[in-house]
Amino acid sequence: EAGVTQSPTHLIKTRGQQATLRCSPISGHTSVYWYQQALGLGLQFLLWYDEGEERNRGNFPPRFSGRQFPNYSSELNVNALELEDSALYLCASSGRSGDNSPLHFGNGTRLTVT
Amino acid sequence: AQKITQTQPGMFVQEKEAVTLDCTYDTSDQSYGLFWYKQPSSGEMIFLIYQGSYDEQNATEGRYSLNFQKARKSANLVISASQLGDSAMYFCAMREDLNYGQNFVFGPGTRLSVLP
Repeated sequence: EAGVTQSPTHLIKTRGQQATLRCSPISGHTSVYWYQQALGLGLQFLLWYDEGEERNRGNFPPRFSGRQFPNYSSELNVNALELEDSALYLCASSGRSGDNSPLHFGNGTRLTVT
Repeated sequence: AQKITQTQPGMFVQEKEAVTLDCTYDTSDQSYGLFWYKQPSSGEMIFLIYQGSYDEQNATEGRYSLNFQKARKSANLVISASQLGDSAMYFCAMREDLNYGQNFVFGPGTRLSVLP
């Protein structure tokens, strides 16, 4: 079974540009979660998508947005990039409620804003 | 308010000794799940162990065990016979069972360093 895949692995952008990060969940998983992890810090919750709908978002400005496609893959878009957006962005997926399965994480996209 | 508290930003342990990483949680729900993840310097998040709120026995997975004390709302991770490869960040997380799905909340993490 393929795990959660994220692309690209690394992304270098200039301040003010836009970044698009992609995530494919484990087959059969309908929920996708996005987290931001700045260097040496914990995971900050960004967005949660389930069945194509945004279920919840963390305390981030509107320039962080995303969507979930009918095949449950997801995109995270960051507009008007700022230097402090440099971080590891982790995507995770989970099965349906009640199946006691953990979050399965991808290997992340390391975004560097110069 | 913090839903997951990990009071130890950093811990040191001698190789081959046991270590306990603390985690307390806050919820008024009856149904929830508790998880521990390991994050080595490579950045990947590795699932270690799971405890359901209705599970009466403490979960164990190899050298990992979860000391679940429901009344105290604590879910400490115990690593027995520490190895150098156990040096990593460790995150405690809670799954909230909402009527529209599941949400996962993470603690701030504990950095474990295993000394030779």
